Amino acid sequence: SYELTQPPSVSVSPGQTARITCSGDALPKEYAYWYQQKPGQAPVLVIYKDSERPSGIPERFSGSSSGTTVTLTISGVQAEDEADYYCQSADITGTYEVFGGGTKLTVL
Amino acid sequence: QAQLVESGGGLVKPGGSLRLSCAASGFTFRDYYMTWIRQAPGKGLEWVSNIGLDGTSIYYGDSVMGRFTISRDNAKNSVYLQMTSLRAEDTAVYYCARSMGRDGLDVWGQGTTVTVSS
Repeated sequence: SYELTQPPSVSVSPGQTARITCSGDALPKEYAYWYQQKPGQAPVLVIYKDSERPSGIPERFSGSSSGTTVTLTISGVQAEDEADYYCQSADITGTYEVFGGGTKLTVL
Repeated sequence: QAQLVESGGGLVKPGGSLRLSCAASGFTFRDYYMTWIRQAPGKGLEWVSNIGLDGTSIYYGDSVMGRFTISRDNAKNSVYLQMTSLRAEDTAVYYCARSMGRDGLDVWGQGTTVTVSS
């Protein structure tokens, strides 16, 4: 079955830039989505269609795509950004959705 | 504003069945695809199933195929997940979420907890 690969953890100091990657063979063809999840809460969509930002999401969140890897970038990280981040996409048929394993962002 | 509220979770024995419901409000339900996602304790998100606008387009993840059935009732603004032959590994918080086209899962419910244990 199709898999998306994320690093388990990323750590940054406040004000720095955090980059979280997600790799998958179908990513050149299928859009990627990013979700933020804080403890005890439901996930929140922060990026859709690789690089679009929903209304209400701070401008410091951005997304990009290059080949089989997509990247979530958080510029000027704040303490409130500490959370788990998940990428999501579809397999090469566009039929079956999958989530990456998640990345825990720690703000030092 | 748009809201999704799940219900129907609980404790069930292995091999048992459970039906989850997700009630939508604040938006035109029939215009949105609906998805069930689950999260086992301390684990990541797992896509379970989704259903198209009129209920004729349905897909399942490998781990639930043949055991779970998704359905929707546009007149009642609700989506359902019938779960049978439950296993311990189905223990999770189950979320429902909506999406329109390729715009992502932009509204999620608060989740309902399913525990499969003897």
